[in-house]
Amino acid sequence: GAVVSQHPSRVICKSGTSVKIECRSLDFQATTMFWYRQFPKQSLMLMATSNEGSKATYEQGVEKDKFLINHASLTLSTLTVTSAHPEDSSFYICSATMNTEAFFGQGTRLTVV
Amino acid sequence: DQQVKQNSPSLSVQEGRISILNCDYTNSMFDYFLWYKKYPAEGPTFLISISSIKDKNEDGRFTVFLNKSAKHLSLHIVPSQPGDSAVYFCAATGSGGGADGLTFGKGTHLIIQP
Repeated sequence: GAVVSQHPSRVICKSGTSVKIECRSLDFQATTMFWYRQFPKQSLMLMATSNEGSKATYEQGVEKDKFLINHASLTLSTLTVTSAHPEDSSFYICSATMNTEAFFGQGTRLTVV
Repeated sequence: DQQVKQNSPSLSVQEGRISILNCDYTNSMFDYFLWYKKYPAEGPTFLISISSIKDKNEDGRFTVFLNKSAKHLSLHIVPSQPGDSAVYFCAATGSGGGADGLTFGKGTHLIIQP
C-alpha cells in the first residue's frame, strides 16, 4: 500500500518555542492531506485539511494562527505548532488520500515542557 | 456532541473466540464507514470499510456489519488472535471515502487473552 512518512516521531520542546512536523507521501501525490490530534484515551480529532497550493481549512475550535499548515508540494505538508504550551502536548497524526483510501503517518508525540 | 460513538472503552476476549466491537453514529449524512487498528505511538492502519449501500463486508477474519436504520455498525474478528490486541477505531465520512476528513470514535481497546 501507499506510504505516508511523518517526522519527527517524538519531540520535546520548551514552552514558547515552535515545532514543525512534516508529513510526506512517499510514493504518490496527495493534493489533500489531513492533520489529526489525539489526546490520551480520546478519539483522533480532525484539526485541519491541508490543500496543495491553497490555504488550509481548519475545524471549528482549532486556532489557525497557532497551528500553521503549509502544503508546499503534492508530497509534503507541514504543521507548525507556534509558541507551544504544555496543553499542546499531544499525539499528532497526518493522513493522505490515494483514490478514496486514507493512509496515515506514524504520528508525532509532542511534549511541551 | 460526538457523532461517532464507541461505548466500550475496552473489551477482553479469549484467543480463538469471536471479538465484536460496536460503533454507533448520529450523523445521517455519513455513508462510508471504516475501521482502523492502532498500536501505541503509531498511526492507525486501515482494516476494513463498508459503504452504506451494503450491510456486510468481509475480508478474511474481519467482517463489518452495518445497520443503517439503527445507525449502528460492528466489527467481528474471528477467530481472535493475540496480535489483534490493539485499539480499534470506528470512523465515518461522506461518500468521498477517505478523501474527506474522517470522524473517529474514541476507540475500543481490544485485549486478546491466551
